[in-house]
Amino acid sequence: GAGVSQSPSNKVTEKGKDVELRCDPISGHTALYWYRQSLGQGLEFLIYFQGNSAPDKSGLPSDRFSAERTGGSVSTLTIQRTQQEDSAVYLCASSLAVQTRRTGELFFGEGSRLTVL
Amino acid sequence: AQSVAQPEDQVNVAEGNPLTVKCTYSVSGNPYLFWYVQYPNRGLQFLLKYITGDNLVKGSYGFEAEFNKSQTSFHLKKPSALVSDSALYFCAVSARNSGNTPLVFGKGTRLSVIA
Repeated sequence: GAGVSQSPSNKVTEKGKDVELRCDPISGHTALYWYRQSLGQGLEFLIYFQGNSAPDKSGLPSDRFSAERTGGSVSTLTIQRTQQEDSAVYLCASSLAVQTRRTGELFFGEGSRLTVL
Repeated sequence: AQSVAQPEDQVNVAEGNPLTVKCTYSVSGNPYLFWYVQYPNRGLQFLLKYITGDNLVKGSYGFEAEFNKSQTSFHLKKPSALVSDSALYFCAVSARNSGNTPLVFGKGTRLSVIA
């Protein structure tokens, strides 16, 4: 596709359930990021994938959060045993790796809004 | 560790007046600095960046930003605001020599341009 695609756009779940959020980056982009946007908290970095390197998981808030990227393309963010404080918009971004270092231009999807009841 | 501060949660300006959205940063070494904009119900869009060279950077939609090393600031400016500029603006930073570390974003400033 022309841009970063995320699904679902909206997800309402009950506390304690697991959820999966999907990100389809721009074709050819080797770097993929997950951020979380909460009201009043700005953008919080979660995890970063770069090609075949080990992902940078330093932003994951707890071990309930995990992410994988299959075949260097599509990524799935999984939240286990969801809590109400997990409610946020989860944003995915991709970039060309070289450009990331030199220009920082990330291309963002429109996000997945997660509401935990 | 890198950090960004956007001291204003909300900025209100009349259409046609100049606007400024403030950003200060903290980083080890020299920074890469960025502004992103988020329109209602849309994803973030890249607006402009400072990498090196001229301290005054010009970007999309008539926006510009000035890198001030001594004040560790990168304020976003526009000479004449439009109602369509109303959006959420994010400043971001990364350390120049940090390889592929992710951008660190500020909390955002909501700009409201009033007709």
